[in-house]
Amino acid sequence: AQTVTQSQPEMSVQEAETVTLSCTYDTSESDYYLFWYKQPPSRQMILVIRQEAYKQQNATENRFSVNFQKAAKSFSLKISDSQLGDAAMYFCAYRSINAGGTSYGKLTFGQGTILTVHP
Amino acid sequence: DTAVSQTPKYLVTQMGNDKSIKCEQNLGHDTMYWYKQDSKKFLKIMFSYNNKELIINETVPNRFSPKSPDKAHLNLHINSLELGDSAVYFCASSQNLQGGQETQYFGPGTRLLVL
Repeated sequence: AQTVTQSQPEMSVQEAETVTLSCTYDTSESDYYLFWYKQPPSRQMILVIRQEAYKQQNATENRFSVNFQKAAKSFSLKISDSQLGDAAMYFCAYRSINAGGTSYGKLTFGQGTILTVHP
Repeated sequence: DTAVSQTPKYLVTQMGNDKSIKCEQNLGHDTMYWYKQDSKKFLKIMFSYNNKELIINETVPNRFSPKSPDKAHLNLHINSLELGDSAVYFCASSQNLQGGQETQYFGPGTRLLVL
């Protein structure tokens, strides 16, 4: 079974600065998807960014980018020019790409990292 | 327009009661999911349905019974509620299970408190 680990329960950053959130995962599969979701105090789960494991290029969405290291099974999220609205809990998630099986399609989440942004 | 909606948003009830949470998506997706977020914010899959067929049942007590009347709806019925059922329940949907259509979109969550 796949596992996802976020080793930083809490992180903080000054407004306009850059912060990196860590995520590692364990899998025996070669193809899969990785995601970062954001959960603000409103508790809505919002997709931040996704990465296909077969793509070597790191995904980027505006101020959000990832550092995907497949061999190291690492998938960190970098937030540049941090804004007050970035304050939230961030979840890393894994999804298998293999068809079939009783776990097909599910997201496996890490424990989450609470990000505080200081003005 | 709300893509994935859940009702109710808050639910407070007594132990032993039976309750339902409804989920609807207007994205035209084939696959829907229920996740549970516990008091430590840990999210875990409970069920998924694809085209109204159960795909995942992740070791959930049989007091929990999902029902999918059509592809746009996946309801969660809980019998004989226990204190440990207190959590936030999220519904999600994705276009289908195949590669390239895998992004899941979440509803706003239903906070259930069992007294």
